[in-house]
Amino acid sequence: GQQLNQSPQSMFIQEGEDVSMNCTSSSIFNTWLWYKQDPGEGPVLLIALYKAGELTSNGRLTAQFGITRKDSFLNISASIPSDVGIYFCAGQIPAGGSEKLVFGKGTKLTVNP
Amino acid sequence: GAGVSQSPSNKVTEKGKDVELRCDPISGHTALYWYRQRLGQGLEFLIYFQGNSAPDKSGLPSDRFSAERTGESVSTLTIQRTQQEDSAVYLCASSSRGGYGYTFGSGTRLTVV
Repeated sequence: GQQLNQSPQSMFIQEGEDVSMNCTSSSIFNTWLWYKQDPGEGPVLLIALYKAGELTSNGRLTAQFGITRKDSFLNISASIPSDVGIYFCAGQIPAGGSEKLVFGKGTKLTVNP
Repeated sequence: GAGVSQSPSNKVTEKGKDVELRCDPISGHTALYWYRQRLGQGLEFLIYFQGNSAPDKSGLPSDRFSAERTGESVSTLTIQRTQQEDSAVYLCASSSRGGYGYTFGSGTRLTVV
């Protein structure tokens, strides 16, 4: 089945630094999504990407849907302590499936004040 | 309600016992999903319900797992004869038809001892 390779697995950065994480897949997805999960909570949607090549921003977050439809990255600029958490990429299989998402294993972000 | 509600939030059970986990989706959301998240891992798809269509059960790991949904409302995930490997957070999510990106509940943390 489809698998997403998400990297890095963890990151330790200083407050104010920029962060970049990415996901790659051997399969094509028609939608890429980025989620953040805080401890004890469910993942919360950050950014959704619907078209190959699309670049979308949400505040300090920027994400891109790769041209090949097999990869995506998420950048966080000027990190702050509340950015701490686990970030997941997710790909949605092409139409005709059950609209389920395939998730990466997450990038755990630690921000030192 | 305003969000996806899951109960109980925590469940400790003895190996071999059956457990039922409940999910109340956002009102009006026709799609409902169950995912499993083991400690430090990504989300693993279990089952998907969409309206009155036959559910996609392709992610259920064994016949000890089953789920039901009443119409477009409450869903229950049942695990029979629980095993220690079933220990995980079980997350429920819902979305509107054709919508992208789910809204997740906070999950049920299941511990099998």
